[in-house]
Amino acid sequence: EVQLVESGGGLVQPGGSLRLSCAASGFTFSDYALNWVRQAPGKGLEWVSYISSNTTAIYYADSVKGRFTISRDNAKNSLYLQMNSLRAEDTAVYYCECGGSPNWGPGTLVTVSS
Amino acid sequence: DVVMTQSPLSLPVTLGQPASISCRSSQSLVYSDGNTYLNWFQQRPGQSPRRLIYQVSNRDSGVPDRFSGSGSGTDFTLKISRVEAEDVGIYYCMQGTHWPLTFGGGTKVEIK
Repeated sequence: EVQLVESGGGLVQPGGSLRLSCAASGFTFSDYALNWVRQAPGKGLEWVSYISSNTTAIYYADSVKGRFTISRDNAKNSLYLQMNSLRAEDTAVYYCECGGSPNWGPGTLVTVSS
Repeated sequence: DVVMTQSPLSLPVTLGQPASISCRSSQSLVYSDGNTYLNWFQQRPGQSPRRLIYQVSNRDSGVPDRFSGSGSGTDFTLKISRVEAEDVGIYYCMQGTHWPLTFGGGTKVEIK
């Protein structure tokens, strides 16, 4: 069974940094592209970033470009999101998503506040 | 960016009755490979989203056959043939054809 489990969220001050992780299991991780998607409290879904299976293609939403960096370690079946210069509007639950599976993980909550 | 417009915003439905959600895109979602990358997601109250339908009309494993997707180009529909209590939640369409990927604003399905 495909499982995605996000971690690394927490409370951080504006301008601070966090590194999110997504641990994957139950499928051949290195075969699939992955996305980070976020959901602000009480709001809809917003795509954040994409990375192809072999990391040759990477894309970001304009709202995070230059501040966030997506990466993956296929040997560790893990996806990452380095988030710098965090703003209040980055407050959200962050999900990793794999097109090869319909199921999402529980997400990890990032709160940016002083 | 491709704007995804869903309607209605809220959909009160009687148990056992059909429901239909519309999703319109501001550009054609037909990709250069001929496929149309339009997905539907369900988010039950207090839960993470899960994908129901991919590439317009393909149901994901475990999704009841009362859910169906249809459409082409810029106009898409998610139908529930007979709404059950477990179908309560918010439904989102998402296009995966153009960068950036974009979601519709969501349609809240509730029981009358």
